[in-house]
Amino acid sequence: DIQMTQSPSSLSASVGDRVTITCRASQSIGSYLNWYQQKPGKAPELLIYTASSFHSGVPSRFSGSGSGTDFTLTISSLQPEDSATYYCQQSYSAPRTFGQGTKVEIK
Amino acid sequence: QVQLVESGGGVVQPGRSLRLSCAASGFTFSTYGLHWVRRAPGKGLEWVTVISYDGSNKYYADAVKGRFTVSRDNSKNTLYLQMNSLRAEDTAVYYCAKDQGGSTYVYDYWGRGTLVTVSS
Repeated sequence: DIQMTQSPSSLSASVGDRVTITCRASQSIGSYLNWYQQKPGKAPELLIYTASSFHSGVPSRFSGSGSGTDFTLTISSLQPEDSATYYCQQSYSAPRTFGQGTKVEIK
Repeated sequence: QVQLVESGGGVVQPGRSLRLSCAASGFTFSTYGLHWVRRAPGKGLEWVTVISYDGSNKYYADAVKGRFTVSRDNSKNTLYLQMNSLRAEDTAVYYCAKDQGGSTYVYDYWGRGTLVTVSS
């Protein structure tokens, strides 16, 4: 199985800060990397697919980059509504696996 | 807009069965693959199973193979998950998720989930 490792596990940042979350795959997955946001008690939401493509309605402050084994989700200017847990997921090979999540809190 | 609403969760004893449902609306149900994904307490997300748009292809995670069965009724816009021989480690919130296409394994819409607790 491909292991997905996110860092950090959690972070606390101020409104307006630039936030970066990293996801590393245990082997190359090309660009088959997706990012999801989940708020407590809510359904997860797709943010970014195939590393850098925006899902419909996602604010432009979110962006994704990377290929191969190293990927990044960036929030260019953190907003209060961005407080959530973020998951990366590889859709390259079975079983499709998720990272353990990064919890983002607002200071 | 796309809506997925899970139901059927609850508390069940080890070894017993439970059937989850997911009612869908807001898209052409019969043209998309559908998945179940779960999150155990204190753990991350885990893909469970996928069913193709017409129900002809189904795949399962090793952890549930032989115990869980996915199905769909395209006339009712509903996805099902029959869970047999339940174990404590199956305790989780179960989410249904729509595939972005046939079987891209990109989950573009999710339900809020239904909690399954396996406990004696």
